[in-house]
Amino acid sequence: DAMVIQNPRYQVTQFGKPVTLSCSQTLNHNVMYWYQQKSSQAPKLLFHYYDKDFNNEADTPDNFQSRRPNTSFCFLDIRSPGLGDAAMYLCATSREPGSGLFMNTEAFFGQGTRLTVV
Amino acid sequence: GEDVEQSLFLSVREGDSSVINCTYTDSSSTYLYWYKQEPGAGLQLLTYIFSNMDMKQDQRLTVLLNKKDKHLSLRIADTQTGDSAIYFCAEGDDYKLSFGAGTTVTVRA
Repeated sequence: DAMVIQNPRYQVTQFGKPVTLSCSQTLNHNVMYWYQQKSSQAPKLLFHYYDKDFNNEADTPDNFQSRRPNTSFCFLDIRSPGLGDAAMYLCATSREPGSGLFMNTEAFFGQGTRLTVV
Repeated sequence: GEDVEQSLFLSVREGDSSVINCTYTDSSSTYLYWYKQEPGAGLQLLTYIFSNMDMKQDQRLTVLLNKKDKHLSLRIADTQTGDSAIYFCAEGDDYKLSFGAGTTVTVRA
């Protein structure tokens, strides 16, 4: 009954080799987020989509890109992974933007994809 | 530096109360949150408090908010082994959550 599904759960990629992480949702939410969580650090927002509008955080490296071909799916592309990109990547959704609660804005998280770069 | 700070580890005996503390910087945050992350799982919203409240109680959970000191705490009464997890404090602005680094709570028998 998972509502936000991330695949794969674990991904190993080679240094410099492009990799794509996947997120899908069954909630029909307008907003999808990608967070990066390094070991013992806070999850950090990379970017989010509000419908088809892409919103990049100012300090997100150019190496990170995202695609949202339809409402249900969102992809995180890392063009040339470095050792420093090894982390847990979390996808989240909400009905509307904002971090407030109530039905429109509560964020639902997937289980995450743990990326290892070798 | 971090906008949201919390201690990294807490060890508590089963049946005792756990108190997890957090400080934040953005006084304009409308809501403050506690998320729980169990091993291998995503973040799950545990509870929240609206910024004009001082306290919120939800079964075994009590959230205290001191706006003057920008201090948030989560108290778990009668801590059980199933409460072992990482607990994240977060503050919210208009479109994103800013998280602390998480407090790993270990419950010992």
